[in-house]
Amino acid sequence: SQTIHQWPATLVQPVGSPLSLECTVEGTSNPNLYWYRQAAGRGLQLLFYSVGIGQISSEVPQNLSASRPQDRQFILSSKKLLLSDSGFYLCALERSYSGANVLTFGAGSRLTVL
Amino acid sequence: QKEVEQNSGPLSVPEGAIASLNCTYSDRVSQSFFWYRQYSGKSPELIMSIYSNGDKEDGRFTAQLNKASQYVSLLIRDSQPSDSATYLCAPYTGNTPLVFGKGTRLSVIA
Repeated sequence: SQTIHQWPATLVQPVGSPLSLECTVEGTSNPNLYWYRQAAGRGLQLLFYSVGIGQISSEVPQNLSASRPQDRQFILSSKKLLLSDSGFYLCALERSYSGANVLTFGAGSRLTVL
Repeated sequence: QKEVEQNSGPLSVPEGAIASLNCTYSDRVSQSFFWYRQYSGKSPELIMSIYSNGDKEDGRFTAQLNKASQYVSLLIRDSQPSDSATYLCAPYTGNTPLVFGKGTRLSVIA
């Protein structure tokens, strides 16, 4: 079965510090992977998606970046965090389900920027 | 720009009642529709999908779709306190990432 691992689960970072969130998947090859963010009281915002190694599409211009150094690894980074970067970051894996493509989410990484 | 509208709630229903969650969408190309449930502090999980106009039942859950009205709903019969969560609607167009509604928070009161 396909599984998604995210870490760290929780982190508190000062404004201006760097960030690295990691997502790895098991049980599949060449998956489409996604990063979403959910800010407090708000919906899921698509940040990046990747269809393969080194292929990143950005949905929202901001101080975040993503990389896909390996087939089953997806990393979200920032050089300098802002207060507005606080939120629940979710990595998602696309899979086939009854003829459509659905998303399975990892457990998430909760980031608080102080 | 695809838009998905949901009443943010909270929607409060007594235990045993029917909870009705609604969603409207702007993209007429949408082919399939998914409902995700998100417990507080957890990640969303897929609970229902519907592809054709009409009703689709799965246990206590019924999804209803009306493509002409661009409207999809989720009914939860015999609501339980364990159903208390935020429910997210997501239309699927077939070739772009899922766009989620902001979700409706459901509270089932024992």
